[in-house]
Amino acid sequence: DTGVSQDPRHKITKRGQNVTFRCDPISEHNRLYWYRQTLGQGPEFLTYFQNEAQLEKSRLLSDRFSAERPKGSFSTLEIQRTEQGDSAMYLCASSFGRDGEKLFFGSGTQLSVL
Amino acid sequence: QKEVEQNSGPLSVPEGAIASLNCTYSDRGSQSFFWYRQYSGKSPELIMFIYSNGDKEDGRFTAQLNKASQYVSLLIRDSQPSDSATYLCAVNYGNQGGKLIFGQGTELSVKP
Repeated sequence: DTGVSQDPRHKITKRGQNVTFRCDPISEHNRLYWYRQTLGQGPEFLTYFQNEAQLEKSRLLSDRFSAERPKGSFSTLEIQRTEQGDSAMYLCASSFGRDGEKLFFGSGTQLSVL
Repeated sequence: QKEVEQNSGPLSVPEGAIASLNCTYSDRGSQSFFWYRQYSGKSPELIMFIYSNGDKEDGRFTAQLNKASQYVSLLIRDSQPSDSATYLCAVNYGNQGGKLIFGQGTELSVKP
């Protein structure tokens, strides 16, 4: 499988717990994006990386959210002290170089905070 | 004002008809425009992109861009029930790096 891979597919957690998601992009892609999507809405931008550098983080994003891409390959998104409002589908996407805007999405991680 | 706006629908068309999906955006600096299709429970899939004013055709799909009116549309000819999905318009703002800003999506239903 050469597509974008996300793990886990589903995560159920209790409010206040920390969760971490992983994304493996398409191998030759140097850009990696995190989006969040709730029912009936389009994906909302969270952050993106070019190689290992985090180039932008949404100003709407709480400090409880942090993302890393330590070696410019896979990325992790951590949410600390989860709240019920964090329940959503977390989508990872990747793209290549100058074609940067053509995003290819993974299957997503569905987070439910109880 | 939302940055990228779409009618949420649902838009219902009979099989074989032309489906017309519309999108407006607020930033005149936008340079790249995309249409994604998202089936229920699945992730978005890129189906069309357009950079220049005018029409771009790919099979049954035509993307239309009018930068002066800040308007982009997607036409689906000979609509099939398998086209039933949510269609997301996305805009790359040239001065804001590589991220895409998405509209809320238009749900399309093609009735047999």
